[in-house]
This record gives sequence, C-alpha cells and structure tokens, in this order.
Amino acid sequence: QLQLQESGPGLVKPSETLSLTCTVSGGSISSTRYYWGWIRQPPGKGLEWIGSMYDSGSTYYNPSLKSRVTISVDTSKNHFSLKLNSVTAADTAVYYCARAPSTYSSSRYGLPFDYWGQGTLVTVSS
Amino acid sequence: QSVLTQPPSVSGAPGQRVTISCTGSSSNIGAGYDVHWYQQLPGTAPKLLIYGDINRPSGVPDRFSASKSGTSASLAITGLQAEDEADYYCQSYDNSLSVIFGGGTKLTVL
Repeated sequence: QLQLQESGPGLVKPSETLSLTCTVSGGSISSTRYYWGWIRQPPGKGLEWIGSMYDSGSTYYNPSLKSRVTISVDTSKNHFSLKLNSVTAADTAVYYCARAPSTYSSSRYGLPFDYWGQGTLVTVSS
Repeated sequence: QSVLTQPPSVSGAPGQRVTISCTGSSSNIGAGYDVHWYQQLPGTAPKLLIYGDINRPSGVPDRFSASKSGTSASLAITGLQAEDEADYYCQSYDNSLSVIFGGGTKLTVL
C-alpha cells in the first residue's frame, strides 16, 4: 500500500524558507507512471496547488508562487522536497504531498492526485 | 477568488440526490481539460472521487457520478448518507499553466 508522509518544521519565521520533505513508501518515486505534487490548504480555506514534479526532476509550478518555490527529488531516499522562500503569514497552511497517475488524464499537466499524505501544518510567525 | 466557481454549500436529506456545480471558463474546462473531484472529510486529506470527468477510482461507490458540458462540470451524489457530509472540490487545468481547484462546497446531510 502506497504511503506518503510529510515532514519538516511546524513553525517558520517570516522572511525565512519553509522546507518540507515527502517520503514515499510502498512504491518508487522514480516510476515514470506517476507525477508527484505539493498542495496546500490555509486554515478554513480551499486547496491551492503549489507545484509538481515528474521524470525524476522535471518540475512545473503555480505561476503565482513560481518565483519562491523549488521542488526537488532524492531518488536514493525515495523522497521529494519543497522549498518556499520569503514566507509570510499568508503561507500558513496545511501542506500536503500527493501522487498523480500519468494515465488518469488526457493532459499531462492536469493530472488528479490519487494518494495524499496526511498533511502537515506549517505556521509562519515570529 | 477561485478560477473554478463552486457553490459554498449544498444540503440534502438522507436518501436524496444532490448536485454540486463547478463553473469555469474557455481557458480551463471549456478548453477541454479534464475535471476531477475530491471529497474531504473534516480533519483529513482530500480523497479522489472522480477523475477524467466521469471515472470513479476503485472503491468509490457508484452513488457518486459526474458530468461535464461546455465550461462547467457537475458532481452528483444519489442515495445521500450521513457519511457523505464533507467538503467537495473540483480540479482542472488552466491555460495560464496552472493546476486549479474550485473553492469547495460544504455538503450538509440534514
């Protein structure tokens, strides 16, 4: 059974960098059959896509966050990571990592997410 | 404000049928991009309910169905059950080069 687990600091100071890791178990992150993404949800609000990764390193990002986001992968550890710099209180949210099967949509960039981590709350505060 | 518009809330009695709309534009749903639907129970991660406009992943009851026409999509739930009370989100892709979500709809089972 595939499992995804987010990890990282729960509290980040304004202007600093938010760093999270998603560890994948029960499947290989190197598989070309899947894309991997980050999605966030501010408390009491809706979902916002942050960015996705495929082919062990290719990435595409939400244009509204692109200047601040980096997604990278470590295939040897079967995990991928998120870095969001220059954070503000508006970046406070539950951050989810998720898997997207490449065959589940006619658009390779509009894939659905079929497995999600449990999410981790990151609060931006001094 | 979300690019995909959903009603903030819908409600229905047990056994009834409810629908949740997801309205986009010619740059997303109307451009032919697939629509996907999620159910989010309180305090949990979203669960994929429908992918590729109309397809149910294994394990999702056939009480859940979806359709798409023009610039809009719709999720239908028949035989409403108390356990269906949750937030529902649609997802698509936009020509602005972004994955997009609807603002979410809270379903209340009366």
